[in-house]
Amino acid sequence: EAQVTQNPRYLITVTGKKLTVTCSQNMNHEYMSWYRQDPGLGLRQIYYSMNVEVTDKGDVPEGYKVSRKEKRNFPLILESPSPNQTSLYFCASSLDAPSTDTQYFGPGTRLTVL
Amino acid sequence: AQRVTQPEKLLSVFKGAPVELKCNYSYSGSPELFWYVQYSRQRLQLLLRHISRESIKGFTADLNKGETSFHLKKPFAQEEDSAMYYCAPNTGTASKLTFGTGTRLQVTL
Repeated sequence: EAQVTQNPRYLITVTGKKLTVTCSQNMNHEYMSWYRQDPGLGLRQIYYSMNVEVTDKGDVPEGYKVSRKEKRNFPLILESPSPNQTSLYFCASSLDAPSTDTQYFGPGTRLTVL
Repeated sequence: AQRVTQPEKLLSVFKGAPVELKCNYSYSGSPELFWYVQYSRQRLQLLLRHISRESIKGFTADLNKGETSFHLKKPFAQEEDSAMYYCAPNTGTASKLTFGTGTRLQVTL
């Protein structure tokens, strides 16, 4: 089944403890993005990737890192999480640029930073 | 900066009533526009896009360049339409879609 998977789905952690949220797609998509969803703010793009080893900042990149070593994987790294990074995170992928093509979203990862 | 406005956080309608979910954007070009939907306990998914000019699940969306709006409409709301709806116009940056803040549609009996 063609899909985007994220792990973990739920995570509670403490301030400063490094964590990684994985994202994987099996559709051979070029583009991948990370978004965070917060009440009243909608979805905001954190980082995106246009292909392997090509990544760039979105609207809210501070406090996050990403890597794209393989086409299918796009992990989101929080080196030193803080409470303001408590949010619902979505990974998405698309064959072509998100501005012109359908994005396929993962199920979301709910992160709580204490 | 490009802006996307969905003025209603919550829209509550009765089953069978018409629905209009508003979306306004600020962009002087000719944007590609999307509506994404998130049903309860499901993933965010594409509902429809302007360029295809199709009707999905009875919903249509017309681009009004003069008013810079892309409102989502359905003549008769159904219970299964209850969901969170996001307007997302492409506003000139290929790699990014700017999402609105979303409108929760609640269809009641």
